[in-house]
Amino acid sequence: DGGITQSPKYLFRKEGQNVTLSCEQNLNHDAMYWYRQDPGQGLRLIYYSQIVNDFQKGDIAEGYSVSREKKESFPLTVTSAQKNPTAFYLCASSIDPQDLTQGFQPQHFGDGTRLSIL
Amino acid sequence: EDQVTQSPEALRLQEGESSSLNCSYTVSGLRGLFWYRQDPGKGPEFLFTLYSAGEEKEKERLKATLTKKESFLHITAPKPEDSATYLCAVQSLETYDKVIFGPGTSLSVIP
Repeated sequence: DGGITQSPKYLFRKEGQNVTLSCEQNLNHDAMYWYRQDPGQGLRLIYYSQIVNDFQKGDIAEGYSVSREKKESFPLTVTSAQKNPTAFYLCASSIDPQDLTQGFQPQHFGDGTRLSIL
Repeated sequence: EDQVTQSPEALRLQEGESSSLNCSYTVSGLRGLFWYRQDPGKGPEFLFTLYSAGEEKEKERLKATLTKKESFLHITAPKPEDSATYLCAVQSLETYDKVIFGPGTSLSVIP
């Protein structure tokens, strides 16, 4: 079955530590996204990528970094500069939003990684 | 600024008691409005896309409708398995590479 796999499901970060969240998709989607979800708030966009080796900052990129070396993979690093990292992190993918030949397609999501501070 | 609000924040229904969830949006040219369902500890699951005012989509006990400023998710005769958080999101014609999500409505259906 095609889908998005996020790992680990739970992650704990120590003070001053960088941690990396994995996101892999086998949907052959060009675009991939990272969101942060906090209680009572909507999903907030951290970073997104529409093509390999290119990515753009979202609304809350400070303290985070990403890479897109392969079409299937879009890992997110939560750095020690992110002072409030405790949240539920969601990865999503979609066809290129600029590609209208296939009709309008929604984003598909993984099952998230819950990050907490030790 | 593009914005999405949802009401109520939480809704508790008896099994079989129909109701509606509201999504109000402000966007500079709507490209599409999405509804998602999210279960605890899971990622959002896509339900519907609506494109233009007057459009309606149905799936089992759910029906989504769209006006120029709002969308409603009507739930007819809900069952306990419909309990979840329902998220609304919009994509604008100008910033089509981003999707703006609302905070969600948490629905509980009591047997």
